[in-house]
Amino acid sequence: QVHLQQWGAGLLKPSETLSLTCAVYGGSFSGNYWSWIRQPPGKGLEWIGEINHSGSTNYNPSLKSRVTMSVDTSKNQFSLKLSSVTAADTAVYYCARAGQDNAWGSYRLYWYFDLWGRGTLVTVSS
Amino acid sequence: QSALTQPTSVSGSPGQSIAISCTGTSSDVGGYDYVSWYQQHPGKVPKLIIYDVSKRPSGVSNRFSGSKSDNTASLTISGLQAEDEADYYCSSYTSNTTMVFGGGTKVTVL
Repeated sequence: QVHLQQWGAGLLKPSETLSLTCAVYGGSFSGNYWSWIRQPPGKGLEWIGEINHSGSTNYNPSLKSRVTMSVDTSKNQFSLKLSSVTAADTAVYYCARAGQDNAWGSYRLYWYFDLWGRGTLVTVSS
Repeated sequence: QSALTQPTSVSGSPGQSIAISCTGTSSDVGGYDYVSWYQQHPGKVPKLIIYDVSKRPSGVSNRFSGSKSDNTASLTISGLQAEDEADYYCSSYTSNTTMVFGGGTKVTVL
């Protein structure tokens, strides 16, 4: 059964860089699209961006200037970096599978989040 | 990009049917059949309950159904049960090759 395990620093100071990693176990890494989503305490979900196995990215325009996503296919892992954090970046961060290519890699099969990590609470405080 | 618009809260009695709307634009909800819905209980991870506007993943109750008209998608919960009390979020693909969520709707079972 495919599952996602995520980890990263849970407490940051303002201006530091948030860094999270998500590992894929029990299933294919290649041919899939991997997203990061966050949820501030008591608030709704916000899509941060996505990356595929070849490193191609799409980012939320409102966060694009501060976001970097990367993949390590040798470890079946993908990562998120968010720079210059402030208290407004305090949230539970989720990794999720967001899509899959067809068998020939010629088009994307779907655009929804069907597999989620357990979430990591990141708090930004001085 | 602007979040999709959902009502803040919806309530109903056990056994009733309720509907949650999700309004976007022709650049997201109205332009593509890539609307999905998620259920989130307090302190839990969101769970996919509807994808591609109206399809249900295996294992999701058929009391959940989805539809779309123009720029508004809807999630209907029929035969409301106590376990349906949760937050619900819609999501859509956008013309900018991004994804966007709605603000979320709290469902209360009276």
